[in-house]
Amino acid sequence: QSALTQPPSASGSPGQSVTISCTGTSSDVGGYNLVSWYQQHPGKAPKLIIYEVNNRPSGVPDRFSGSKSGNTASLTVSGLQAEDEADYYCSSCAGSNSLGVFGGGTKLTVL
Amino acid sequence: EVQLVQSGAEVKEPGESLKISCKDSGYSFTTSWIGWVRQMPGKGLELIGIIYLGDSDTRYSPSFQGQVTISADKSISTAYLQWSSLKASDTAMYYCARPILVGGLIIRIDDWGQGTLVTVSS
Repeated sequence: QSALTQPPSASGSPGQSVTISCTGTSSDVGGYNLVSWYQQHPGKAPKLIIYEVNNRPSGVPDRFSGSKSGNTASLTVSGLQAEDEADYYCSSCAGSNSLGVFGGGTKLTVL
Repeated sequence: EVQLVQSGAEVKEPGESLKISCKDSGYSFTTSWIGWVRQMPGKGLELIGIIYLGDSDTRYSPSFQGQVTISADKSISTAYLQWSSLKASDTAMYYCARPILVGGLIIRIDDWGQGTLVTVSS
């Protein structure tokens, strides 16, 4: 199972919006509305911020939003804040014979 | 509060065996899945496998099948990840986590342990 494709880096200034893409295939991202996004600060465990494409767990700011079109999912962070600087990973279900697949991660820098 | 508490960092030599643990607290351990995720230095997340704590049903990602063993002891609410013969390439941070499954599909990972750093070096 190949990893999902994410850009290695993204950046934006405070207050701006940034979008991170996550490209898979029709067997994973395109086949299921089961894309999740995780935020990982340096030295910390990942944290779920988006699930089922566009749902936020309780406590996650509404500045974080998700979407999907075809085989590509996207995470948008609006009103960038310094604390949003972190690594972001997407993940998708990939069928009943797989445990799923992660993207390679995107390092978001707040300029 | 849901919490997954992992055992401490380990330093081992190649060829040695190792078993790391993940204790669940504040949750219905026997009705949940626990998974293990590898993160090699400077790299991304990889799901190793999952175990259903009620009956120890275990599933592995193809890349890890035969390389590690996942087990659990529901009497003490603890899951384990085990190696019989470590290699330098096993050096990584290992997280336990709680995946949520619906219809046999992992739909998200809700909770994460703090991680156990495993260093394998001669």
